[in-house]
Parts: sequence; C-alpha cells; structure tokens
Amino acid sequence: QKEVEQNSGPLSVPEGAIASLNCTYSDRGSQSFFWYRQYSGKSPELIMSIYSNGDKEDGRFTAQLNKASQYVSLLIRDSQPSDSATYLCAVNTWRDDKIIFGKGTRLHILP
Amino acid sequence: EPEVTQTPSHQVTQMGQEVILRCVPISNHLYFYWYRQILGQKVEFLVSFYNNEISEKSEIFDDQFSVERPDGSNFTLKIRSTKLEDSAMYFCASSEARGTGGEKLFFGSGTQLSVL
Repeated sequence: QKEVEQNSGPLSVPEGAIASLNCTYSDRGSQSFFWYRQYSGKSPELIMSIYSNGDKEDGRFTAQLNKASQYVSLLIRDSQPSDSATYLCAVNTWRDDKIIFGKGTRLHILP
Repeated sequence: EPEVTQTPSHQVTQMGQEVILRCVPISNHLYFYWYRQILGQKVEFLVSFYNNEISEKSEIFDDQFSVERPDGSNFTLKIRSTKLEDSAMYFCASSEARGTGGEKLFFGSGTQLSVL
C-alpha cells in the first residue's frame, strides 16, 4: 500500500517568515512529486512539481526532493496571510496511472 | 484559462438512489480522473480513464461505481445505489499526458454529494 505522510498541523508561521512543509512517501518507485494548495471548501490547486533530486524554485516557493530519503519538502518564503491553506503532497509512479495524496498540512500565517 | 467544469455543485439524494456526476475536462487533455474527499479527510483516488477505458481503479471503486465518456467532451461518474458513506466532495481532474511533466492534474470545483 503506497502511503504519503504529512504532519497535519496546524503549522503557524508569522507573516514574512519562511514556512517549511514536509512529506515522506513509501514507494521507492515514485517518480513525480507535487505540491497542491487547497483552501477550505475549494479544490486542490497545483503550485509546484518536482521530478529530480535537489531544489526547484518558482517565485516564493521552493520544492526540495531527496529520493534516497523518500522525502519532499516545500518552502514558502515571505509568507503572506493568503498562503493560509492546507498543503497537499502528492506522488506518482509512472507504472500506475494515479496520483496519491497525503492528508495535508494546515498552514496558518499569523498577521 | 481552460478549466475543468463540474455539475452540479451540490447533489442531495436518498440512500439507494442513483446519481450521475458530470464533468467537462480541459479540451486537449487525454487522461481523466475522479477523486473524492470526505469532510476533514484526504483526497482519495477513485479511478483513472484513458482512451475510453479504465486504466486504474482503487478498492473504493466497487461495482456500484461506473465511469463513462459518452461524447467528446463529457466524463461522468455514476453511483448506482448510494450509501450514507458515499457522502463526500467528488472532484473530477484531467491531465494532458503521463510521465515527467505531463501528469499535472487540474481539478474541477467539485460536486458535494449528500446522501440522506
């Protein structure tokens, strides 16, 4: 059974600080890794994808992947109140046509 | 910007009734998915669909569920005999391709199904 694990939070971070979100996954065959943001009552929205070990930056967001440790993280710099949401980690193996989601981490940016 | 469209936004039904949830994926996308999210829980994979057939399904997707692409634009999820535990938000998603860079899911806004 493939699993994606996240700390459910809530994670409280002061406005302007760096928020760090973490995720581990069980299937070593996983090849594609995603971070989605979900506001309460809304659908998930893709914010980052990463496929290779190392860092990938997009604006205020940086995704980090370590396949040896089966670990994915998301850093949000200069956190804004609008970043308050649940962040979902998701993984895929190319042999399967499904993306599996973690339970998500609730992030609360304190004004 | 292209988007995935789902109808209805809310569906209330009696236990044992059949429901059909409808989705219009992004027009150039080839892979289609249904997920569900019970309140306060994780987004759960139900089924994936490509080239007019199911490519993957979860253990949740039992004989009471079916999917169909009746024409070139719609993608439907049918629940034949609804149960109380089917109450959830159902999300349709689509992606352009599979493999690195292609399988980014774009979600519709969801159908909230309430089974009474």
